[in-house]
Amino acid sequence: GESVGLHLPTLSVQEGDNSIINCAYSNSASDYFIWYKQESGKGPQFIIDIRSNMDKRQGQRVTVLLNKTVKHLSLQIAATQPGDSAVYFCAENGLGDYKLSFGAGTTVTVRA
Amino acid sequence: EAGVTQSPTHLIKTRGQQATLRCSPISGHTSVYWYQQALGLGLQFLLWYDEGEERNRGNFPPRFSGRQFPNYSSELNVNALELEDSALYLCASSRGQIYGYTFGSGTRLTVV
Repeated sequence: GESVGLHLPTLSVQEGDNSIINCAYSNSASDYFIWYKQESGKGPQFIIDIRSNMDKRQGQRVTVLLNKTVKHLSLQIAATQPGDSAVYFCAENGLGDYKLSFGAGTTVTVRA
Repeated sequence: EAGVTQSPTHLIKTRGQQATLRCSPISGHTSVYWYQQALGLGLQFLLWYDEGEERNRGNFPPRFSGRQFPNYSSELNVNALELEDSALYLCASSRGQIYGYTFGSGTRLTVV
């Protein structure tokens, strides 16, 4: 079936370095993508979203890249901080699909 | 504005019992979504309610049910609890399909 998945389950990053979290999706009809951050004991928190008519979108210290040709999504975090340690989920929503489908998540650990 | 609120925060039940989880969406949001997040796993879609009606459900048995009230708050009921129902149950709300979700902090259900 169609699914959203992340390439790596864990990512260890040195504080101050840039982080890149990858996500592959298989539903070619997906037209809306979101990255969420989930800290321990909390619900997922919206980070940034992107629609299929764009290939890049920037927020504060974060950038999402979308490559529809290879159905790949990535989240870049600039100057990673200890507070960025969390599980990151990509999610996608296809046209006519009224729910978000989530990937398994990547655990990011920031080393001091 | 107040976020999505869920109650209770924690719930401990015995196998075979019933659990009721509650969710209040953000004011103005008419859609409520329920997800199950087992320990260390991703988010599995359970149910979607909009304008008081169940619009879609995921691959869960019928003992998982719920409803949405006229004020758009929602309940998730889990009957005949099994040990594997132990998980974080997340509620999210949105204004509609083209928008992302806002999640609550979840209810941690433990079945013993």
